[in-house]
Amino acid sequence: DSGVTQTPKHLITATGQRVTLRCSPRSGDLSVYWYQQSLDQGLQFLIQYYNGEERAKGNILERFSAQQFPDLHSELNLSSLELGDSALYFCASSARLEEQSTDTQYFGPGTRLTVL
Amino acid sequence: AQTVTQSQPEMSVQEAETVTLSCTYDTSESDYYLFWYKQPPSRQMILVIRQEAYKQQNATENRFSVNFQKAAKSFSLKISDSQLGDAAMYFCAYRIYWGGGSEKLVFGKGTKLTVNP
Repeated sequence: DSGVTQTPKHLITATGQRVTLRCSPRSGDLSVYWYQQSLDQGLQFLIQYYNGEERAKGNILERFSAQQFPDLHSELNLSSLELGDSALYFCASSARLEEQSTDTQYFGPGTRLTVL
Repeated sequence: AQTVTQSQPEMSVQEAETVTLSCTYDTSESDYYLFWYKQPPSRQMILVIRQEAYKQQNATENRFSVNFQKAAKSFSLKISDSQLGDAAMYFCAYRIYWGGGSEKLVFGKGTKLTVNP
């Protein structure tokens, strides 16, 4: 158990709908990362938050957005869903401080999204 | 752009034997971090081992060790005394750091390891 929790584990929805994926980082971790794992694209970085602020952005679609709340949990919002958005969405966290070198990213169990 | 290549889509090993998974990467940085993650059928991403480029010594974690060749940009994972529980997808990852706390991992496409009893 990495200490990172994600809910829900599975999500089945229809095209055009909107869903919210939730992530709670490990206790004390300030950075949260979101990744998408699909069969054709592999593991792709979506976005990073550090202590409530967006820090890095990958190839995240405009239909997707995220935020990190004061209690450090994060949510990934996916809207106008398409069939191609079906994937496993991972959240990871690390205890990164500004002046220090990187800490390891620990991954949650993922949310499997199926768009029908 | 930094890329990570795992040239072996699939590998197999007999239980109790040793197997080496390959990974190469492309970077112009001199200091960086590399990781191996394991993804068993449960789909959980589990850290196996990490290597800091400025450290000459190869990282080791129990039965897992790496052969880090900085000049060749190679980062292979050796699994000794393979066990059935080692069967999984293994991903090599490179950390990209932009400064100011901004970073991400870039992953290879993975190697599926089968362990035969």
